[in-house]
Amino acid sequence: DAGVTQSPTHLIKTRGQQVTLRCSPKSGHDTVSWYQQALGQGPQFIFQYYEEEERQRGNFPDRFSGHQFPNYSSELNVNALLLGDSALYLCASSLGTGLKLFFGSGTQLSVL
Amino acid sequence: GQQVMQIPQYQHVQEGEDFTTYCNSSTTLSNIQWYKQRPGGHPVFLIQLVKSGEVKKQKRLTFQFGEAKKNSSLHITATQTTDVGTYFCAGRRYGGSQGNLIFGKGTKLSVKP
Repeated sequence: DAGVTQSPTHLIKTRGQQVTLRCSPKSGHDTVSWYQQALGQGPQFIFQYYEEEERQRGNFPDRFSGHQFPNYSSELNVNALLLGDSALYLCASSLGTGLKLFFGSGTQLSVL
Repeated sequence: GQQVMQIPQYQHVQEGEDFTTYCNSSTTLSNIQWYKQRPGGHPVFLIQLVKSGEVKKQKRLTFQFGEAKKNSSLHITATQTTDVGTYFCAGRRYGGSQGNLIFGKGTKLSVKP
């Protein structure tokens, strides 16, 4: 039974570029949440997708957008990258919008 | 906005010593969760507390939720080197989306053998 898988594991981009990160939830899970974790900090909630719709959004600008597909997998898109977007991006899945989260190993994004 | 504060930021202990991390919220929480993140790893769910004054134990780990549901603690008895990592509390506020967990900054535990 595969857990939460994320790709790619590492990514290097330059300022102003755009990036797409991908996530496949744990088998049986229908909800995907995205978090940003800066070095030495706790994860910060970006948004949550359920039934292919964004259900809740944290305090992130519109440059951060997402999508959920019918198979429950999800993408996180970030436009016009800034140096401050460098962080570990974590995808977490759950059954329903509550309950405990299962995190993937994350995508380490470096913006130069 | 709502904040979840965690102290201490770092804790260095000798193997066998006890360890406690504290979590405080500026607002009343509907529930609180605890996660452990090993170095280079991702957060792993440990437990969820829902009821006022709730106490739960997992082997050497004891979790408490305050009576006012604004604070929580994690206590580890007789630490082992396998306990190394960062421990995060994460709270959900009343009326908020179930999806929006507010994480503390974590307590990084190191254990000297």
